[in-house]
Amino acid sequence: SQTIHQWPATLVQPVGSPLSLECTVEGTSNPNLYWYRQAAGRGLQLLFYSVGIGQISSEVPQNLSASRPQDRQFILSSKKLLLSDSGFYLCAWSVGHGGETQYFGPGTRLLVL
Amino acid sequence: AQSVTQLDSQVPVFEEAPVELRCNYSSSVSVYLFWYVQYPNQGLQLLLKYLSGSTLVKGINGFEAEFNKSQTSFHLRKPSVHISDTAEYFCAVSAGGTSYGKLTFGQGTILTVHP
Repeated sequence: SQTIHQWPATLVQPVGSPLSLECTVEGTSNPNLYWYRQAAGRGLQLLFYSVGIGQISSEVPQNLSASRPQDRQFILSSKKLLLSDSGFYLCAWSVGHGGETQYFGPGTRLLVL
Repeated sequence: AQSVTQLDSQVPVFEEAPVELRCNYSSSVSVYLFWYVQYPNQGLQLLLKYLSGSTLVKGINGFEAEFNKSQTSFHLRKPSVHISDTAEYFCAVSAGGTSYGKLTFGQGTILTVHP
């Protein structure tokens, strides 16, 4: 069966510090991978998606970047965190081109102080 | 481009009462529609989805939703709620074709079930 992991679960970082959040998927090959941010009362916003190794599409301009160094690994990064980067970050995966279910990880809660 | 509007940010209801969570979408192309549930500090779990065929879709935990193309709606219903249904519910839309499953979410509806 397929599983998706995210770490860390919780992170408190000062403004201006770097960030690295990791997501890994097990039990499937060549998944589509997604990073979402969830801010209080604002739903989920798609940040990045990837359809293959090294292929990253950004949905919104921002202070963050994403990388996919391996087929089932998706990393969200920042060189310098802003207060507005605080939120709940969710990674998800799917297979196929449309209509398929996205499966979500447990999330990482990031607080930037 | 697609958009999703969840018409109620919060819905309080008593246990064993029926509930409807409303969702409207806009899209210039055919879409797939989803409802997800999120319990506190957890990821999202799929409740049900509409791809094609019957407009009444049944999901897990006794939930169902009806796709109405003319009204561009996909409302979620449950005839009798339990305390354990207290959670946040998200409606989402995905375009067909080579959208690679990208989802556009609504703002969420917090369902609170009172004893």
